[in-house]
Amino acid sequence: AQSVAQPEDQVNVAEGNPLTVKCTYSVSGNPYLFWYVQYPNRGLQFLLKYITGDNLVKGSYGFEAEFNKSQTSFHLKKPSALVSDSALYFCAVRRDSSYKLIFGSGTRLLVRP
Amino acid sequence: DTAVSQTPKYLVTQMGNDKSIKCEQNLGHDTMYWYKQDSKKFLKIMFSYNNKELIINETVPNRFSPKSPDKAHLNLHINSLELGDSAVYFCASSQAAGRTDTQYFGPGTRLTVL
Repeated sequence: AQSVAQPEDQVNVAEGNPLTVKCTYSVSGNPYLFWYVQYPNRGLQFLLKYITGDNLVKGSYGFEAEFNKSQTSFHLKKPSALVSDSALYFCAVRRDSSYKLIFGSGTRLLVRP
Repeated sequence: DTAVSQTPKYLVTQMGNDKSIKCEQNLGHDTMYWYKQDSKKFLKIMFSYNNKELIINETVPNRFSPKSPDKAHLNLHINSLELGDSAVYFCASSQAAGRTDTQYFGPGTRLTVL
């Protein structure tokens, strides 16, 4: 079975400060990890993915994520948060032999001015 | 130049009715998906088609039936709508069904069953 956990329902951060949105996964075999963002009343937008290679993945809008195999984590980060980053963030995982993309429960990011 | 589009955006209907949601992608992708997002924002895969062949068929009621007339279209038909069907339904597509393929989502259809 494969699963992904986002332990924080909400993350609050001040504009200009670094942000981290946490994600841990459980999957047999090699994991393929994705981050998506959902703005209010909109569909999900792809941010970045880890397939193989460098553990630090850079994505859209200045976001990056670090794959840590020993901790089975794939935390999303940004050095300096913007108010416009406020949205719902989803981590997702797919294993080697599956067509299915399994999503976490989502983390709401609130960046205050 | 919308990549993945869905119609309608909003759908309000009475219990017991039959309704359809349409999805089209102009990305030239081979694989399409339907997801359901509930009121707590939890996303769950329902169906997937690859080259018009059903490859994912999750445990959903038989009242839900996907139809893929061609690779660019995946429609969702729902019979005998129930209150619990109220949700946002997202269509998505990817180049292929491979593990590394990125899925691109449509804007969603908010279904409200009264």
